[in-house]
Amino acid sequence: DTEVTQTPKHLVMGMTNKKSLKCEQHMGHRAMYWYKQKAKKPPELMFVYSYEKLSINESVPSRFSPECPNSSLLNLHLHALQPEDSALYLCASSQGSQGSYNEQFFGPGTRLTVL
Amino acid sequence: QQQVKQSPQSLIVQKGGISIINCAYENTAFDYFPWYQQFPGKGPALLIAIRPDVSEKKEGRFTISFNKSAKQFSLHIMDSQPGDSATYFCAASRKSGYSTLTFGKGTMLLVSP
Repeated sequence: DTEVTQTPKHLVMGMTNKKSLKCEQHMGHRAMYWYKQKAKKPPELMFVYSYEKLSINESVPSRFSPECPNSSLLNLHLHALQPEDSALYLCASSQGSQGSYNEQFFGPGTRLTVL
Repeated sequence: QQQVKQSPQSLIVQKGGISIINCAYENTAFDYFPWYQQFPGKGPALLIAIRPDVSEKKEGRFTISFNKSAKQFSLHIMDSQPGDSATYFCAASRKSGYSTLTFGKGTMLLVSP
């Protein structure tokens, strides 16, 4: 099973709302990723968790707050977003062990619209 | 040195034809080269990947050709079908626990019936 699940599929929120995106994988992967993707562009890395610790933060604004409650779950908390944050948010996971190849599996994404 | 350059930006191929997408990289530390296929509104799906110790990898109608000395790799889709119409991203990565993927800008493929 190479499935990464994400909820919700679609989310519409106002600029003052607080919402969360959720991601889950049961492949035993120890690295999990959040990406943002704009139309007709490649995915853009936001955060990387390795063994449940934040390892990479690509200078993402603080209105995005990641959380990794356990090795299977990854959340992205959203607060005071701007309309330009509207995008497809993708979660991915990879084996994550030293010496392993970076074979990342992506979820279906959450389509976020900020009004 | 972190860039991966992908061409063409878009491609139209007749059904049954061969689709070819090319990528070039600069960073010689890259040692893993995956291709992702993405349909509109969906997440990227890992299609096929190659490591630099081989020059070619084939899975069904999809083949990656790899030229280490030229720092180039390409995706060939044989007998292209309308269902192959999607955006294709090449990527490159270093062998590491959680190394980042460096993506090309993508190629929109349209296979006409």
